[in-house]
Amino acid sequence: GQNIDQPTEMTATEGAIVQINCTYQTSGFNGLFWYQQHAGEAPTFLSYNVLDGLEEKGRFSSFLSRSKGYSYLLLKELQMKDSASYLCAVSFATGGFKTIFGAGTRLFVKA
Amino acid sequence: EAGVTQSPTHLIKTRGQQATLRCSPISGHTSVYWYQQALGLGLQFLLWYDEGEERNRGHFPPRVSGRQVPNYSSELNVNALELEDSALYLCASRLGETQYFGPGTRLLVL
Repeated sequence: GQNIDQPTEMTATEGAIVQINCTYQTSGFNGLFWYQQHAGEAPTFLSYNVLDGLEEKGRFSSFLSRSKGYSYLLLKELQMKDSASYLCAVSFATGGFKTIFGAGTRLFVKA
Repeated sequence: EAGVTQSPTHLIKTRGQQATLRCSPISGHTSVYWYQQALGLGLQFLLWYDEGEERNRGHFPPRVSGRQVPNYSSELNVNALELEDSALYLCASRLGETQYFGPGTRLLVL
């Protein structure tokens, strides 16, 4: 089967760094996505990893290790507006780039 | 450039009724995806349309259906509504591998 696991909730302090992990039990996927979703709103694209390694984009970085079945999203210099759910998803070349989403990690940023 | 749009933003129905949700993809995108997101749960894939055809569907009963019209807009129909159908319904259009989401339609079934 295809399983994506993320922690349900995390709490961090404004200005700090937080790492949100994602593990998956699937293979043969094209790439791994991270999306941000504020409560009641649509998910917005954050990052896409195809190759192993770290992709940095401003305060957000995403890491992928296919051999370990593992990814993480790193958020630096946390701001209150970063309080949201973060969705990990894998996409496959077949089935119209079928994308399987994890349940998401709700991040609470406190002052 | 306009993003994915969906209508209505909110919809209230009673059990047994039918709901129709609409989506317009980003200009130039031909693929449209529908997802259901129940409160506190992850996105569940419903349907994928491309070039006017249904290409794939998730594990949902036949009362969940839809279509894509020639301008690539799409409708999602949910017949014989049940309380469990209450959820946020998200539409996305795709460029390359990345899906871009609309704001969603929040359906409440009473």
